[in-house]
Amino acid sequence: AQSVTQLGSHVSVSEGALVLLRCNYSSSVPPYLFWYVQYPNQGLQLLLKYTSAATLVKGINGFEAEFKKSETSFHLTKPSAHMSDAAEYFCAVSDSRKAAGNKLTFGGGTRVLVKP
Amino acid sequence: DTAVSQTPKYLVTQMGNDKSIKCEQNLGHDTMYWYKQDSKKFLKIMFSYNNKELIINETVPNRFSPKSPDKAHLNLHINSLELGDSAVYFCASSLQGASYGYTFGSGTRLTVV
Repeated sequence: AQSVTQLGSHVSVSEGALVLLRCNYSSSVPPYLFWYVQYPNQGLQLLLKYTSAATLVKGINGFEAEFKKSETSFHLTKPSAHMSDAAEYFCAVSDSRKAAGNKLTFGGGTRVLVKP
Repeated sequence: DTAVSQTPKYLVTQMGNDKSIKCEQNLGHDTMYWYKQDSKKFLKIMFSYNNKELIINETVPNRFSPKSPDKAHLNLHINSLELGDSAVYFCASSLQGASYGYTFGSGTRLTVV
């Protein structure tokens, strides 16, 4: 079974500061990894994904994430936080095998608060 | 044009009632999903359909019954609603293949009173 752990349910950053959201996964097969963002009262929007190509993945809104197999991590970063980055962020893992049926397993989420 | 649309957006109902949530996608995807998000924001898959065929059925009470009339639609019917069913239900769609990721609808907030 696959699982995802997001360290820190809440992260507070100052506007202009680095945003770092931590994600560790557990998977017995090569995983696909995703970061999603959820704004209040909205659905989830895909930020970026890792699908076994480049280990450093760039996404929308200036976010990027690095896949580190040795650390089983896929941390999300943004060099300079903006007020509009305040949202809930979810890391997710998918089993790359076809038989798994595209199931995404989500972490518990990290709420980002941006202070002016 | 909304890519994945769910109706209704809000649903307030009494215990014991039966209700349905509808989902439609216009992305040409062949796989659709229902996820439940609880009050702590935890997301858990309930069902997945590929080309109208049920492929994922997690441990969900059989009061929940999905129906996919075609690959663009996936509805969720819930019988005998309970207080614990209160949550936000998200529909999502994707192409077949784990690398694609999902496109989510905006959710249906179900409140059982």
